[in-house]
Amino acid sequence: VQLVESGGDSIQPGGSLRLSCAASGFTVRNNYMSWVRQAPGKGLQWVAVIYTGDDRYYADATYYADSVKGRFTISRDNFRNTVFLQMNSLRVEDTAVYYCTREQGRQVVTPYFDIWGQGALVTVSS
Amino acid sequence: QSVLTQPSSASGTPGQRVTISCSGSSSNIGTNTVNWYQQVPGTAPKLLIYRNNQRPSGVPDRISGSQSGTSASLAISGLQSGDEADYYCAAWDGSLNFVLFGGGTKLTVL
Repeated sequence: VQLVESGGDSIQPGGSLRLSCAASGFTVRNNYMSWVRQAPGKGLQWVAVIYTGDDRYYADATYYADSVKGRFTISRDNFRNTVFLQMNSLRVEDTAVYYCTREQGRQVVTPYFDIWGQGALVTVSS
Repeated sequence: QSVLTQPSSASGTPGQRVTISCSGSSSNIGTNTVNWYQQVPGTAPKLLIYRNNQRPSGVPDRISGSQSGTSASLAISGLQSGDEADYYCAAWDGSLNFVLFGGGTKLTVL
């Protein structure tokens, strides 16, 4: 069971980047998947979630932190068992390591992230 | 500044018991469960405690969590050098509608 991110890069402000997260050992469609980021030397910040396709009321729903809403899009490819984070209009403050995570417990308890990828570094700088 | 407040640092000697606190409010810890993560520098975070006091498979029972009112604590007994890491608490905030993380506590084993 693991997650492997790719796509991290250095990019200028205003640019776009897409992160990929390939899962193995489980099916992303049947799980809640989130991205969590960590700016250099800082703490953790939840970024976005995509709901499982099995959620009774909100199948495939997506939600975002206010700081990225309207600029980032989370999606998944069920066939490739991969989750994506499309990041547009990037800002210097988006510089961070982005972790792909599998969530458990959403709708019942505080969601907890039980599987983490190794992280993808995104550097936004002119 | 995080809505969940943790001390920036904690320390102990090998074999000691240390606790790390996480203070919140009625909209987060007061009404929702708390999770804890361990992050060794240069690596991805790892789930340590979920649902206040549950340990994932592989986490030793010398690590425990508790919650009371609007605060939570992580306790590590029989401190080892391998416990040196950053520790983060997390809780759902019903006012903000997302998971909040504490600012993190750097644990040093002296």
